[in-house]
Amino acid sequence: AQTVTQSQPEMSVQEAETVTLSCTYDTSESDYYLFWYKQPPSRQMILVIRQEAYKQQNATENRFSVNFQKAAKSFSLKISDSQLGDAAMYFCAYNSGYALNFGKGTSLLVTP
Amino acid sequence: DAEITQSPRHKITETGRQVTLACHQTWNHNNMFWYRQDLGHGLRLIHYSYGVQDTNKGEVSDGYSVSRSNTEDLPLTLESAASSQTSVYFCASSDQGTGELFFGEGSRLTVL
Repeated sequence: AQTVTQSQPEMSVQEAETVTLSCTYDTSESDYYLFWYKQPPSRQMILVIRQEAYKQQNATENRFSVNFQKAAKSFSLKISDSQLGDAAMYFCAYNSGYALNFGKGTSLLVTP
Repeated sequence: DAEITQSPRHKITETGRQVTLACHQTWNHNNMFWYRQDLGHGLRLIHYSYGVQDTNKGEVSDGYSVSRSNTEDLPLTLESAASSQTSVYFCASSDQGTGELFFGEGSRLTVL
C-alpha cells in the first residue's frame, strides 16, 4: 500500500516568519495528485493546496506553496509570512487511485 | 451552497450497542468515504463507495459497515461498539477527477 510520511510531529514558527513542513510518499505510479489539508481546532478539514504530479511547476496559493520533487517523492509545504490563524494540524495526502492516503500530521504552533 | 453534513456531532454510547453515524452530501458526488482520526494515526480509511449499491472496505473496516441506497447518503454502522472505536469520524465525498475530498465536520464518538 502506498504510504505517506510526515516526519515532523510538531513544528513551531514565529509570526511573520517562514516555515516548511515535510512530506514524503511512496508510489509506483507516474500520474497522481497530492494534497495538503489544514485542520484548525474547529476540527474542520480544509484544503490548502493541490499538486498534479505531471505538472513541473510547483503549486502556489497566496502564502502557501509547495516544493514538489517527483523523483525524490517529496512534497513539502512552505508557509510564508506565518499568521496566528495558521496554527493547526497539517496533513499531507496522496491520491492512491481509489481514496486519499493521509500522513499522520504535523502540528504547527505559531508564536507571536 | 453544496455541503456535506454529519450527525450526530457528538455521541456517547456503551460497549456492545449498535451505533449509526449519518452522512449526507449535496455535492452530487458519486464517491463517498468514511475515515477515522486518532492521535498519532492521522486519518485512516474505513469504507468507501463509488456509487449506489457499491461499497468497499478500507484499511480499518473490521467492526464497521456501510450501505449506499442513494447518491446523497452513506451511513456508517458500528454493529457492536467497542472502546477501541472511540474516535472522531469524518465523512467525505469527491468527484471523479483529482480525488480532492470535501469533508463533513466530523462526529466524535465515545464508547464507554
